[in-house]
Amino acid sequence: DGGITQSPKYLFRKEGQNVTLSCEQNLNHDAMYWYRQDPGQGLRLIYYSQIVNDFQKGDIAEGYSVSREKKESFPLTVTSAQKNPTAFYLCASSRLDSRTDTQYFGPGTRLTVL
Amino acid sequence: GQQVMQIPQYQHVQEGEDFTTYCNSSTTLSNIQWYKQRPGGHPVFLIQLVKSGEVKKQKRLTFQFGEAKKNSSLHITATQTTDVGTYFCAAGGGADGLTFGKGTHLIIQP
Repeated sequence: DGGITQSPKYLFRKEGQNVTLSCEQNLNHDAMYWYRQDPGQGLRLIYYSQIVNDFQKGDIAEGYSVSREKKESFPLTVTSAQKNPTAFYLCASSRLDSRTDTQYFGPGTRLTVL
Repeated sequence: GQQVMQIPQYQHVQEGEDFTTYCNSSTTLSNIQWYKQRPGGHPVFLIQLVKSGEVKKQKRLTFQFGEAKKNSSLHITATQTTDVGTYFCAAGGGADGLTFGKGTHLIIQP
């Protein structure tokens, strides 16, 4: 909240298409994360990045790709290989500080595959 | 990574009643965080607990971290309609990100 923006808020995609979700932060945070949330469920980690030009797979990375060319930006591409992409996608960022690991979330993007 | 189990999944209360959600892990946690997600919204950080046996209060909310650092609870006294939402615990953090519980959905009946 506050310093993280995600766009678009709602996204509709046809089967077989790739789509890219935007995430930008102006909090000067080193770490950024992508989570997926299904109805009534918790958050599952897709990808995360601790530094520019480096990123790691989370628990459910298959069918997704990311890039981190700038500290402020961490876009997520949902590829046609993702079998069930309809979900609520949340981007978050945090400082890499062992005492304060608070994650700040963006407003999210609701993706629906038609 | 660290795994956390959260119960109950859903909790219906009458406005004014108390509410508690529990978070449990089979391993010792370095810290536990709590987030609240309003319906249609995104998770918002509430608090972080780090020390064994720690208790923190925020107005009507009381957060506890177990002595063994394997469990935590969030208690809300005299619930209000503004408390509606899903409450998540999360463990881990740092460079590898957080592991979230599945959340407890609090439904309040006026």
